[in-house]
Amino acid sequence: KAGVTQTPRYLIKTRGQQVTLSCSPISGHRSVSWYQQTPGQGLQFLFEYFSETQRNKGNFPGRFSGRQFSNSRSEMNVSTLELGDSALYLCASSFSGTGLDNEQFFGPGTRLTVL
Amino acid sequence: KNEVEQSPQNLTAQEGEFITINCSYSVGISALHWLQQHPGGGIVSLFMLSSGKKKHGRLIATINIQEKHSSLHITASHPRDSAVYICAVGRNTGNQFYFGTGTSLTVIP
Repeated sequence: KAGVTQTPRYLIKTRGQQVTLSCSPISGHRSVSWYQQTPGQGLQFLFEYFSETQRNKGNFPGRFSGRQFSNSRSEMNVSTLELGDSALYLCASSFSGTGLDNEQFFGPGTRLTVL
Repeated sequence: KNEVEQSPQNLTAQEGEFITINCSYSVGISALHWLQQHPGGGIVSLFMLSSGKKKHGRLIATINIQEKHSSLHITASHPRDSAVYICAVGRNTGNQFYFGTGTSLTVIP
């Protein structure tokens, strides 16, 4: 099976712009989670989607949003970018996202730099 | 206080040494995950466990649910084990993950 893919891999934006990142999960996986990783805060959970519905949300402002399509592909959007949004954004997929079906398979990440 | 605490933060070992990384958590969990992150960012899931012990090659993970503690052991460490090891817990209410701050391991030949 192909792994989790993320596009783009690298992105440079300026403050105030918006950005959309894409994640394609492993075939058959219906849960997609998004994470932000920064040197200061480490890995933080953004949100999780299952069957096109946001099922869980971390503690991030409303500028961070996402969606999931019927083929389980997911996008996340960050509006009005701030310097502090510079980070590695990782997505991970799992079969159902619950209990012991929640082994996370990570994509390579999108490194976002906000200037 | 963080929901997940890892120790040590940094670890340097000689090749061949036995290594232990510890993780303590304070919330109810459905499962605990050990992740490995190499320079460049890619994360690999090493173990997902909810009880007892699991072994993959030279890696062993244990969890004590009563004590809310897990350990990751690496036997006969090798320079290719150099990476950041991250403990993460999946809550038993909802699917939100909490992460430890990671342990940066360097194995010297």
